[in-house]
Amino acid sequence: GDSVTQMEGPVTLSEEAFLTINCTYTATGYPSLFWYVQYPGEGLQLLLKATKADDKGSNKGFEATYRKETTSFHLEKGSVQVSDSAVYFCARSGGYNKLIFGAGTRLAVHP
Amino acid sequence: SAVISQKPSRDICQRGTSLTIQCQVDSQVTMMFWYRQQPGQSLTLIATANQGSEATYESGFVIDKFPISRPNLTFSTLTVSNMSPEDSSIYLCSAVGGETQYFGPGTRLLVL
Repeated sequence: GDSVTQMEGPVTLSEEAFLTINCTYTATGYPSLFWYVQYPGEGLQLLLKATKADDKGSNKGFEATYRKETTSFHLEKGSVQVSDSAVYFCARSGGYNKLIFGAGTRLAVHP
Repeated sequence: SAVISQKPSRDICQRGTSLTIQCQVDSQVTMMFWYRQQPGQSLTLIATANQGSEATYESGFVIDKFPISRPNLTFSTLTVSNMSPEDSSIYLCSAVGGETQYFGPGTRLLVL
C-alpha cells in the first residue's frame, strides 16, 4: 500500500551544520507531499509542502523538492540552530484529504 | 489558515473510565480528523469526523471504543471509552483549510 519512509533518527548535529533528512514515498498517483515539525511538548506544525513534481517547498531556511523520478522529498537546511531541535515528519496525501505519515525523525542540535 | 484548540491539554485517567476530548476550529471547515500518536511513534489516523453523520473509521478503530461527534463545521469530540494503559497516547485533532491540514496542540492522555 501507499507509505512514507523516513531515515531513522536520532540525528545529532552541531549548530550551523548542514541537515538532510531523507524521505521517500510510494504512491499510485501524484500525491501532495509535506513536512511537519513537532517541537517538544507541542502539536504538529506544517513546515513546508509541495503539490506537484519539481515543486520546491521552503520555510524558515528549510527546503524540500518533490522528485517524482526518485519518489523522494528530502528535507534540507544549510545551517541548523539549536532551536531546530524537534521531531520532523514527512507525509503524503492519502486521498479524501487524509495524510499518511512517516515514522518521524528526531533532530538534536547542540551548541 | 485554521487555528485549532483542544481541551483538555492533558489528563491522567483510571483504567475503565472514559474521557471526551474537544476540538474547536476558529473557522468553518469541511474535513476534520482524529489521530493518535503513541509514545515515540508516528501519527495514526483514527477516523474522519463527518458533519451531521457517523464518523468514518480506519482499520483497527471502532465506534464503540472511539465514539466521535461532529455537530457543526467548527467542532468535534472524540471519546476514548473504557480506557486501558494501552490507550496512553497523544490524541490530535486536525482540520483541512484550503489545501493544508492543520493540527491542534494535542491531548496527552495517561491511563493508569
